[in-house]
Amino acid sequence: GAGVSQSPSNKVTEKGKDVELRCDPISGHTALYWYRQSLGQGLEFLIYFQGNSAPDKSGLPSDRFSAERTGGSVSTLTIQRTQQEDSAVYLCASSQNRGETQYFGPGTRLLVL
Amino acid sequence: DAKTTQPPSMDCAEGRAANLPCNHSTISGNEYVYWYRQIHSQGPQYIIHGLKNNETNEMASLIITEDRKSSTLILPHATLRDTAVYYCIVRVATQGGSEKLVFGKGTKLTVNP
Repeated sequence: GAGVSQSPSNKVTEKGKDVELRCDPISGHTALYWYRQSLGQGLEFLIYFQGNSAPDKSGLPSDRFSAERTGGSVSTLTIQRTQQEDSAVYLCASSQNRGETQYFGPGTRLLVL
Repeated sequence: DAKTTQPPSMDCAEGRAANLPCNHSTISGNEYVYWYRQIHSQGPQYIIHGLKNNETNEMASLIITEDRKSSTLILPHATLRDTAVYYCIVRVATQGGSEKLVFGKGTKLTVNP
């Protein structure tokens, strides 16, 4: 079946611009996670959505970062006023329910010039 | 804040078994051990997970010691396409009350022809 998909696969932007990254989780998965991976680094947790519950935003690095999940399915991660240190691979994962196996998408490679 | 330790690199001959060790001495009784791998420029790929008993699927086998302080991922017949970074993971609680995957440095497995 279809896995987690993300778009765009690559994004180059100028410092100060806003960007939106999209994630389509596996159909029927109630839990959705955003992570980012900087060059040569491990995964950094950003935010977690579970059903209609309030999201766990404890990993967002600054108030320039926000995310929403509409209708319990597609999620959008928005970075406002991008900075060069935001350059990374942004990964989305979904799981059927909280605490179950997370399946990752291919990621969006963001480069801020 | 990874709760696992792995050797930084390993080599394996094509067609032979690859045995990747992981120490997780602080694991608690109800925490699963997960294995993912990441091939360059791709999102992490789920391999297998287990709690107490040994597990096997179409990709690999997972051997967990009786005291659960360590485990070994076994790729029975490694191929060149198995060259990747392999991560052994125990989920960690977030500050917001959910759980996240923490990827450490992993083991860079190189399968040689």
